[in-house]
Amino acid sequence: GAGVSQTPSNKVTEKGKYVELRCDPISGHTALYWYRQSLGQGPEFLIYFQGTGAADDSGLPNDRFFAVRPEGSVSTLKIQRTERGDSAVYLCASRAGGATDTQYFGPGTRLTVL
Amino acid sequence: ILNVEQSPQSLHVQEGDSTNFTCSFPSSNFYALHWYRWETAKSPEALFVMTLNGDEKKKGRISATLNTKEGYSYLYIKGSQPEDSATYLCAPSRGSTLGRLYFGRGTQLTVWP
Repeated sequence: GAGVSQTPSNKVTEKGKYVELRCDPISGHTALYWYRQSLGQGPEFLIYFQGTGAADDSGLPNDRFFAVRPEGSVSTLKIQRTERGDSAVYLCASRAGGATDTQYFGPGTRLTVL
Repeated sequence: ILNVEQSPQSLHVQEGDSTNFTCSFPSSNFYALHWYRWETAKSPEALFVMTLNGDEKKKGRISATLNTKEGYSYLYIKGSQPEDSATYLCAPSRGSTLGRLYFGRGTQLTVWP
């Protein structure tokens, strides 16, 4: 079946602009995670959804970052007033079962803020 | 923040060589240990999820072991092939944080033909 998809695959924007990144999880997966990987680092947790609600948003770096999952499927990560330090690969993952089950990742969105 | 260390940072081997990497993590409040392989421009691919001390998992030429008491895991690749070239990431999760993964920086493997 289809895996996790993310759009766009690449996004180049200017400092101060607003961007939206989209994640389509595997059908039926109730858990959804956002991570981001900055250059030279491992992926870092941003936010976790269980169904429609954000169960843990402690990884969001500041209030410029916000994410939604209104119908418990597709999720959108929104970044306001982008800064050059926001440049990274943003990864989405979904999981079907319990907390120890496999998280399946999408290919990521590479965000570049000029 | 969880201190997850992976070594070596990068590794270059010849085709046919066997190799291994290390992942170390705090043993307290351990929940599960995930290994991923990530090739450039592709999605990270799940290799293993391990939960029990002494767990050993195998997938083809790749295997992994887990020691939760001392906080480390080894990943082994037998007879490396050029298609094994990728970054290998380990990520423990903790009992209190709902499956959230704490990634190391990865080991970048290059296998030369």
